[in-house]
Amino acid sequence: GAVVSQHPSWVICKSGTSVKIECRSLDFQATTMFWYRQFPKQSLMLMATSNEGSKATYEQGVEKDKFLINHASLTLSTLTVTSAHPEDSSFYICSVEKTGEVYGYTFGSGTRLTVV
Amino acid sequence: AQTVTQSQPEMSVQEAETVTLSCTYDTSENNYYLFWYKQPPSRQMILVIRQEAYKQQNATENRFSVNFQKAAKSFSLKISDSQLGDTAMYFCARRYGGATNKLIFGTGTLLAVQP
Repeated sequence: GAVVSQHPSWVICKSGTSVKIECRSLDFQATTMFWYRQFPKQSLMLMATSNEGSKATYEQGVEKDKFLINHASLTLSTLTVTSAHPEDSSFYICSVEKTGEVYGYTFGSGTRLTVV
Repeated sequence: AQTVTQSQPEMSVQEAETVTLSCTYDTSENNYYLFWYKQPPSRQMILVIRQEAYKQQNATENRFSVNFQKAAKSFSLKISDSQLGDTAMYFCARRYGGATNKLIFGTGTLLAVQP
């Protein structure tokens, strides 16, 4: 199966600063990656679809200027939480589906963001 | 609407017993894919089982099997011989077609296996 690396696993930042989370596909080229957000004891909510070489597609209600997504290569997508506030504190998870093969999506290990 | 519904927020089962988790979904497509994922306390998402809608036979993976009722848009997960390590959040998910093939999750069921 696919291997996905997500970094960092946890981060604490001050209000007003920006935080970048990286998602890497280690063993195949991913034209599409997905970013999810998960609050405690809740489900994974899809935030956006990251498309290599083009703009991300955001789900309804997700602020694209707040959550900047860059997918500059076939193996790396980044999510930047800009001007973070305490309400942005959450668990962020990336996912990839191997192109042309439906075996199940592979997920990164997640990033726990705490904004203080 | 893109919804996947899990009506059981929490379930409990005795070790070695069998438990069934429910899931319903909406769709206007004829062919699609359904998944069950497990999220243990580590929060790493683990694929449990998947089902392709055009296949009538229910998928099975060792102790895990599904009851796929396409007309009813129902996709339940049966765990046989429950083990303590099965304690986790379980999410039902549906892969939506179109340009992005995004995966949408249900609300989740917290399963506790009791010794």
